[in-house]
Amino acid sequence: DVKVTQSSRYLVKRTGEKVFLECVQDMDHENMFWYRQDPGLGLRLIYFSYDVKMKEKGDIPEGYSVSREKKERFSLILESASTNQTSMYLCASSSYDEQYFGPGTRLTVT
Amino acid sequence: AQSVTQLDSQVPVFEEAPVELRCNYSSSVSVYLFWYVQYPNQGLQLLLKYLSGSTLVESINGFEAEFNKSQTSFHLRKPSVHISDTAEYFCAVSKGNNNDMRFGAGTRLTVKP
Repeated sequence: DVKVTQSSRYLVKRTGEKVFLECVQDMDHENMFWYRQDPGLGLRLIYFSYDVKMKEKGDIPEGYSVSREKKERFSLILESASTNQTSMYLCASSSYDEQYFGPGTRLTVT
Repeated sequence: AQSVTQLDSQVPVFEEAPVELRCNYSSSVSVYLFWYVQYPNQGLQLLLKYLSGSTLVESINGFEAEFNKSQTSFHLRKPSVHISDTAEYFCAVSKGNNNDMRFGAGTRLTVKP
C-alpha cells in the first residue's frame, strides 16, 4: 500500500511565523502535490513537483513556497503566516493514473 | 483547462435509501474521471476511477459511476446506503498526466438512521 505521511495533524501558529509542513511518500513517485482544502471550495492546488528540485506553481501559490531536496519528501513553507492561511493542507503523491493523499494538516493561524 | 461542478453541496438520506451524487465536467480533450471519499478527520481515498473502456465503473463497497460523454457527467450512485457512508465525496478530472487534476467543491453525504 502506498503511504503518504504528513508531519503534523494539527498545528497552531501565530501571524508572521514561518511554518513548515512536511510530507513523505514511500512509493518512489516522481510527482508530489500540495493542496489546501476549504469548505465550499474543494481542493485547490498550491504547488506541485515532478522531480527532485523541480516545482511548478499551481492555482494559488501566493504566500507559499516549496522544497523538494529528496524524491520522497516535499515541504510546504509559509514564509510569514497570515490568518487567511488557516486551512486544511493535503499532500499527495501520484502514480500514472491516480493521486494518493496524506491525512492532512489542519493549520490555524492566530 | 478542465473543470468540475458538483451540483449538490449536501445530500441527506435515510439508511438503506438509494443515493446519487451528481458531477459534471468540462474539457476540450479526453479525460480521466475520479471519485474520492473523505471520512471525518482523514485524507482523501480513491473510491473509483474511469480511465478508458467500460463506461460503468464500480467500487468494492457498492458504489458505481457511469461516464456519460454526451452529457459530460460522471454521477456516483449507490442503491442502498449505510450509516458508514457518511462522508464528503469529491469528483475530480484530469487529462491523464495527473499534474493537472481538478476537484469539485465536494458533496457532503449524511446518512440518517
